[in-house]
Amino acid sequence: GAVVSQHPSRVICKSGTSVKIECRSLDFQATTMFWYRQFPKKSLMLMATSNEGSKATYEQGVEKDKFLINHASLTLSTLTVTSAHPEDSSFYICSARDSQGYEQYFGPGTRLTVT
Amino acid sequence: DAKTTQPNSMESNEEEPVHLPCNHSTISGTDYIHWYRQLPSQGPEYVIHGLTSNVNNRMASLAIAEDRKSSTLILHRATLRDAAVYYCILSPIYGQNFVFGPGTRLSVLP
Repeated sequence: GAVVSQHPSRVICKSGTSVKIECRSLDFQATTMFWYRQFPKKSLMLMATSNEGSKATYEQGVEKDKFLINHASLTLSTLTVTSAHPEDSSFYICSARDSQGYEQYFGPGTRLTVT
Repeated sequence: DAKTTQPNSMESNEEEPVHLPCNHSTISGTDYIHWYRQLPSQGPEYVIHGLTSNVNNRMASLAIAEDRKSSTLILHRATLRDAAVYYCILSPIYGQNFVFGPGTRLSVLP
């Protein structure tokens, strides 16, 4: 099956700093990638949809200037949390859609802790 | 996006079959039924998907009602590794994002 990786798997940063999370499709080209956030014991919530070579589409309530998404190639999307605050601490998960568009393949997630 | 309804939690004994139900009474004709599961501290994992006919793969079976307003994910022999949150999701062909509900938390008892 298709494999999606995320790096780092966990990161701790200080309040006010920025942190970048990478999402890569390892064995297929992903024209669309999705970024989700998951708080403890809650379900995944979509943050934004990222299409290669174009600007990301953000869900209502997600600050695009705070969560910068770049999808520069068919195998890489990055999420940068700028000026992180403790309330940004969460589990961030990316997914990539294959060329047929039927399924999404999810990364293992990145746990962000802001101190 | 069409909404799905699943029980909050279910329990099963190890090596017994498990039937996880999902109601989707507002499903449209172009909606696929997808099932994913999420183990603790991991990203969701694809389980199975279908449109109208029942589907089988190495992980599970998907039984779809004739009117498509409900479906059931069947794990034929539950193992401890099957303990996870199972999500039933509707998405049209070439659809965009998946909308995740709370899912069903499956506990497997040894």
